Amino acid sequence: NAGVMQNPRHLVRRRGQEARLRCSPMKGHSHVYWYRQLPEEGLKFMVYLQKENIIDESGMPKERFSAEFPKEGPSILRIQQVVRGDSAAYFCASSPNPIRDRGRVGIQYFGAGTRLSVL
Amino acid sequence: GENVEQHPSTLSVQEGDSAVIKCTYSDSASNYFPWYKQELGKGPQLIIDIRSNVGEKKDQRIAVTLNKTAKHFSLHITETQPEDSAVYFCAARTNFGNEKLTFGTGTRLTIIP
Repeated sequence: NAGVMQNPRHLVRRRGQEARLRCSPMKGHSHVYWYRQLPEEGLKFMVYLQKENIIDESGMPKERFSAEFPKEGPSILRIQQVVRGDSAAYFCASSPNPIRDRGRVGIQYFGAGTRLSVL
Repeated sequence: GENVEQHPSTLSVQEGDSAVIKCTYSDSASNYFPWYKQELGKGPQLIIDIRSNVGEKKDQRIAVTLNKTAKHFSLHITETQPEDSAVYFCAARTNFGNEKLTFGTGTRLTIIP
């Protein structure tokens, strides 16, 4: 999973500020997923993106959160007006283009995460 | 939507003994079940996975079994070693145009030397 690069590794923000988390997928991967992990909990799906397209954002809070995966550059998870409850580890995963024929799926490889702390 | 339950939440075993972690899922349409290992301060690392057309898969000391009828799958680690200490997560995914993973709550495995 060393191929998925996330930065920064640690991010400290005060309440009301904006947080931008970046994810560069593994080479050749065109699909990106964002997950959030609260302390002592499992990972919760947030959003699934392909280049220039949001496929599924059912796990994203309706307000303050947005994600993009532009044609060029990394995927960005943006949190506006952060609150203390946003403090968590945010993980990005990438996969090659899943092949849906005959039930084949793409394996997801995770980055090391960004740990967001809101003061 | 899919719901995955994982047990136990913590597990301690003597070095050299076996460890078993169990998960159940709710959506009978799920057809892909990966297991991830997460060490402190790191991202989840895929250790083994199984697809619904297979009942068992083994990779050296690690094996996964799947019972589609009962909707549960298990991770088996034999001859445990100190480096196996970590948090293990199971996950499930359906394949109807959505690739998202639904994770269990994790098992903290401690290997006692």
